[in-house]
Amino acid sequence: ETGVTQTPRHLVMGMTNKKSLKCEQHLGHNAMYWYKQSAKKPLELMFVYSLEERVENNSVPSRFSPECPNSSHLFLHLHTLQPEDSALYLCASSQEGTVGELFFGEGSRLTVL
Amino acid sequence: GQNIDQPTEMTATEGAIVQINCTYQTSGFNGLFWYQQHAGEAPTFLSYNVLDGLEEKGRFSSFLSRSKGYSYLLLKELQMKDSASYLCAVLDSNYQLIWGAGTKLIIKP
Repeated sequence: ETGVTQTPRHLVMGMTNKKSLKCEQHLGHNAMYWYKQSAKKPLELMFVYSLEERVENNSVPSRFSPECPNSSHLFLHLHTLQPEDSALYLCASSQEGTVGELFFGEGSRLTVL
Repeated sequence: GQNIDQPTEMTATEGAIVQINCTYQTSGFNGLFWYQQHAGEAPTFLSYNVLDGLEEKGRFSSFLSRSKGYSYLLLKELQMKDSASYLCAVLDSNYQLIWGAGTKLIIKP
C-alpha cells in the first residue's frame, strides 16, 4: 500500500455538481493537509487538520468544505465550483514535530466545465 | 510579504552537474526543504537544511546560507530520471511552509 492515497485521480464536473475528493494515509501521521497546485504557481495551502481538529483555513471559498472523520481520512467536498478552481488537489500528511516533511498523495486532477 | 524565488526552468545534460538556486524572504526561518515532483506524480521530500552549510545525500546535496536567504540544490551525475520539478519551501516563524513555484529540470542525452 502506498503511504497516501487519493481518489479519484481525475474528475470532471460542471459548475452545479457536488463531488468529493478522498484521501487516506497509512503512515500513522496525526496531521493532514489539502493543497491546491496550479501550473507555474506555488503550492497553496487550503486546510490543515491536526489530531482531527481543523487548525488552518487559508481564506478558502466556502464552495470547498473539508471533513476529517479520523486521523487516517480526509475529504474535500466540492460544490458550485468555478472554472478557475480547475487544478491538481494534493493531500499530504505529516507527524507533529516534523511539520515541513510532508508525504503527498499523487493528487486529484479536477476540471470544472 | 513572503517570497520564494527559483528559476522556472533549467536544462542540463545527462552525466553533468546542475545547481538549482532558491532565494527567500520570509517572516522568520525554521528550516528549508527541497522536494522533487515528477510529472503527474506526488512531490517527494528530498532534503532539509536548518543550519548553514552543505548536506549531502548521495548524488544530491543541498546548501543553505541563512544570512543571505539563499539555498541551492546540487545534482551530480545527472540521469534521465532526474527530469522533474524541484520545489523549494521555507518553514516560517509560524511553522507555515512557504513554497516556491518550482524549477522544471530537463535532462538531455
